[in-house]
Amino acid sequence: DSGVTQTPKHLITATGQRVTLRCSPRSGDLSVYWYQQSLDQGLQFLIQYYNGEERAKGNILERFSAQQFPDLHSELNLSSLELGDSALYFCASSGTSRQETQYFGPGTRLLVL
Amino acid sequence: AQTVTQSQPEMSVQEAETVTLSCTYDTSESDYYLFWYKQPPSRQMILVIRQEAYKQQNATENRFSVNFQKAAKSFSLKISDSQLGDAAMYFCAYRSGISGGGADGLTFGKGTHLIIQP
Repeated sequence: DSGVTQTPKHLITATGQRVTLRCSPRSGDLSVYWYQQSLDQGLQFLIQYYNGEERAKGNILERFSAQQFPDLHSELNLSSLELGDSALYFCASSGTSRQETQYFGPGTRLLVL
Repeated sequence: AQTVTQSQPEMSVQEAETVTLSCTYDTSESDYYLFWYKQPPSRQMILVIRQEAYKQQNATENRFSVNFQKAAKSFSLKISDSQLGDAAMYFCAYRSGISGGGADGLTFGKGTHLIIQP
């Protein structure tokens, strides 16, 4: 158990819909990262938040957005969903130092029908 | 942009034997971090080992060790005394040592599926 929690574990929705994935980092970690794992694209970094502020952006679509709240939990919002958005979405967290390792949550499996 | 290449889509090894998984990367940076993550059938991403580029000594964690060749941009993972529980996808990952501009995210290879033969 990494200490990172993600909800829900599974999500099934329809094209055009909007969903929200939630992540709680390990106790004391200030950084939260979101990754997408799909068969086509492999594992891709989407976005990072540090202590409530956006720190870095990767290959995140404009239809996707994220935020980190004062209690440090984070949400990834996916809108206008397409079939190709079906994937496993991971959240990871790390501490205050840039040298620190990222620890991953169990992931949310999203299926868009 | 950095790239990570794992040239072995699948590897098979007998239980108790040793196996080496290959990883190469491309970067113009001198400061960075390298990682091996394991993803068993549960899909959880589990850190196996990490290496700081400024350290010449190869990292070791119990049965897992790396061969880090900075000049060759190579970062292989050796698993000794393979066990059935080692069966998983193994991902090599790179993280820049430079802050900002996406540099904090990990760049992953496509993975190597490791099969352990009993």
